[in-house]
Amino acid sequence: KNQVEQSPQSLIILEGKNCTLQCNYTVSPFSNLRWYKQDTGRGPVSLTIMTFSENTKSNGRYTATLDADTKQSSLHITASQLSDSASYICVVSNRGSTLGRLYFGRGTQLTVWP
Amino acid sequence: ETGVTQTPRHLVMGMTNKKSLKCEQHLGHNAMYWYKQSAKKPLELMFVYNFKEQTENNSVPSRFSPECPNSSHLFLHLHTLQPEDSALYLCASSQDIGLQETQYFGPGTRLLVL
Repeated sequence: KNQVEQSPQSLIILEGKNCTLQCNYTVSPFSNLRWYKQDTGRGPVSLTIMTFSENTKSNGRYTATLDADTKQSSLHITASQLSDSASYICVVSNRGSTLGRLYFGRGTQLTVWP
Repeated sequence: ETGVTQTPRHLVMGMTNKKSLKCEQHLGHNAMYWYKQSAKKPLELMFVYNFKEQTENNSVPSRFSPECPNSSHLFLHLHTLQPEDSALYLCASSQDIGLQETQYFGPGTRLLVL
């Protein structure tokens, strides 16, 4: 069964600290993996997209890693800011049909405190 | 306006009411999507339109009726909803349908069914 599991469910950190969010998936055959950031009351915004051959991709203070062998991805946030408080959603797509299929995780709710 | 807009942002309706959600994208994209986001659950894809044609209906109850008059506008007509339909309804668009395409989300309509 194709699934995407994220951990932790929620996380509280102090401003300026680093944190790492995890995403494990069983989606197959794998096409790509995205991390989205969703601010409260807003729609998700894409942070990174990674394909099978990519191990690391950065977007400012956000760095995503992918291990396609173990089917794990992580999102590392460096020097957190209050504006990083949001839900971070892992999305994995497969190549099962013409359109492909997106599988969404439940998200990790990150709160950054001053 | 730029990006993807949705109206209304909030909606309260009774189970016997009929209402419509509107989505408009100003990005020149060809594909549009409706998603349902319930608390503590992953995003659920409802409908996909490509060049105004519906390409996917993800087993959505008939009380939800989509309409796509052109590539820039997408509606979701609601009638005789149930309280469990209360959720955040997100519209998204992408240049084309494809696994590498980034979807751009609107801010969503927060729906409460009484």
